[in-house]
Amino acid sequence: NAGVTQTPKFQVLKTGQSMTLQCAQDMNHNSMYWYRQDPGMGLRLIYYSASEGTTDKGEVPNGYNVSRLNKREFSLRLESAAPSQTSVYFCASGRQGRNEKLFFGSGTQLSVL
Amino acid sequence: AQKITQTQPGMFVQEKEAVTLDCTYDTSDPSYGLFWYKQPSSGEMIFLIYQGSYDQQNATEGRYSLNFQKARKSANLVISASQLGDSAMYFCAMQEGGGNKLTFGTGTQLKVEL
Repeated sequence: NAGVTQTPKFQVLKTGQSMTLQCAQDMNHNSMYWYRQDPGMGLRLIYYSASEGTTDKGEVPNGYNVSRLNKREFSLRLESAAPSQTSVYFCASGRQGRNEKLFFGSGTQLSVL
Repeated sequence: AQKITQTQPGMFVQEKEAVTLDCTYDTSDPSYGLFWYKQPSSGEMIFLIYQGSYDQQNATEGRYSLNFQKARKSANLVISASQLGDSAMYFCAMQEGGGNKLTFGTGTQLKVEL
């Protein structure tokens, strides 16, 4: 019953530090996504991977990189964290094709000081 | 232009009453999907209901129904018989242009009162 698992749940960074958020899903989904949630702005798409071996930019990709390590895992890297990247990050996955809902992880609360 | 607009930042409803959360959307794609998610204070995103652009009938899932008015480009969520556990943030989202990535609105915070 794991679904989408994100680690860590909480993280505090100093400006300029780097870190990787990990995401894994056990539902054999092709598509995986990284969103960030900020107050009053809903969820905004950072990067996504429609299938293993492909990644594409979303609405707010600047300052981030991603790796689709295999079908299960999709990581998000902040190379040089900035206070503007303080946010809650959600990983999601879904079956290929239109009209398929996304399943979300429990989120990572990141603070950059 | 915003693709998904939720104009109600906050709503209050009495327990056992029905409430409508508004959502309008903008797309030129004839084939699209509309989703509603619930986010309780614990933070997880919970899928509630889905409506496809070609669906002839409004979607229903238990106490949730979607009032889909295609010509007006609106997809309002109706929650009947509100319960205290319905207090949460509600997001409308749209899928378009192939694939299944979602574009979200800014959300509506619903508070159910005794």
